[in-house]
Amino acid sequence: QQQVKQSPQSLIVQKGGISIINCAYENTAFDYFPWYQQFPGKGPALLIAIRPDVSEKKEGRFTISFNKSAKQFSLHIMDSQPGDSATYFCAARRIAPSGTYKYIFGTGTRLKVLA
Amino acid sequence: EAQVTQNPRYLITVTGKKLTVTCSQNMNHEYMSWYRQDPGLGLRQIYYSMNVEVTDKGDVPEGYKVSRKEKRNFPLILESPSPNQTSLYFCASSLNLGGEQYFGPGTRLTVT
Repeated sequence: QQQVKQSPQSLIVQKGGISIINCAYENTAFDYFPWYQQFPGKGPALLIAIRPDVSEKKEGRFTISFNKSAKQFSLHIMDSQPGDSATYFCAARRIAPSGTYKYIFGTGTRLKVLA
Repeated sequence: EAQVTQNPRYLITVTGKKLTVTCSQNMNHEYMSWYRQDPGLGLRQIYYSMNVEVTDKGDVPEGYKVSRKEKRNFPLILESPSPNQTSLYFCASSLNLGGEQYFGPGTRLTVT
């Protein structure tokens, strides 16, 4: 119930194509689902996030699609660019028994966009 | 510039030699956290702190210690490092519980 399963592990897309990364979860207590982007040698940075009462959120070329009944959410990168080449992590947040928030991260997807 | 800094960025050490990885944030954030990142496992939380002198275990705390004597600093201490602690470590901070996390640049630790 703690896990967030992310796929694929790696992804190669042509410039201008659509990149799609999927995540699935079990725990219905998760209340917030962020995506992080990590470039080599850098820490993860928040890219876009969604709450479970919304089915889709779009920010520029990045869109999160959220399917509450299937317990799945995905990141779509439209018109993918070489500068999007990075590792992407999905995450899910819940309130722990201690009263604090805990983030569970997916295992990451390494995206390479070919020029 | 608002940021989270970590030092050192790279460290190679030997089994059993105590080490400290420092973390500092200049955003007056209350909440700080340490993660380790391993291939195929994503990021896993080691320890977190909700404020000065308030710390608690995350998911993988064994072999680590932390302290929070000042709001801006949250050092990670390995009293007796072992090879299974070879990993990439990230410090993160957020303004409050559940808020957006800002990550440091990472510390790559190798224990031989």
